[in-house]
Amino acid sequence: AIQLTQSPSSLSASLGDRVTITCRSSQGLSSALVWYQQRPGKPPKLLIYDASSLHSGVPSRFSGRESGTDFTLTISNLQPEDFATYYCQHFNRDLPTFGQGTRLEIK
Amino acid sequence: QVQLVESGGGVVQPGGSLRLSCAASGFTFNDYGMHWFRQAPGKGLQWVSFIQFDGSNKNYADSVKGRFTISRDDSKNTIHLQMNSLRPEDTAVYYCAKDQGYLGSGSYYGDYWGQGTLVTVSS
Repeated sequence: AIQLTQSPSSLSASLGDRVTITCRSSQGLSSALVWYQQRPGKPPKLLIYDASSLHSGVPSRFSGRESGTDFTLTISNLQPEDFATYYCQHFNRDLPTFGQGTRLEIK
Repeated sequence: QVQLVESGGGVVQPGGSLRLSCAASGFTFNDYGMHWFRQAPGKGLQWVSFIQFDGSNKNYADSVKGRFTISRDDSKNTIHLQMNSLRPEDTAVYYCAKDQGYLGSGSYYGDYWGQGTLVTVSS
């Protein structure tokens, strides 16, 4: 089974900063990866699909990139509402799998 | 706008059963597959089950296969998750989610999620 490893597991940053979260896959995924944001007590929200496409209504300060088996989510100009946990997910019919999550906190 | 509202969660003893429901609105329900995901307290996300837009294909995580059954009622824009032989490790918030893929066999990720319903399996 494909495994996704997110790094870092937690991250502290300040308003206005730019941060990058990495999701490394154990196999090539051919862009079959999405990113979600989850605020405490809330359901996940889709941010990025197909590794780099922005979901409808998501601010352009969020971006995704694929390089081999490494996928990155970059958030520019951090806003207060961006402090949350972020998950990557590989989508396939056999077993959709998630990374363990990255918690982004205010410094 | 897309709205998904789960119901049916609660406290159940090990070995018991529960039936979760998810009422959908804001999109053409019978054009999209639907998922159940779950999240144990303080833990990450896990995919549980998927039903194709026409109900012809259903998939399950190995951990629930043979115990959980997904179904849909297009007349009521609702999906269900029948959960039998519940175990303490099934304790989680259960979310329904709309699949992003239009018709077809599904994209296997959720583009809109409900608020979730808590299932607690404990004696």
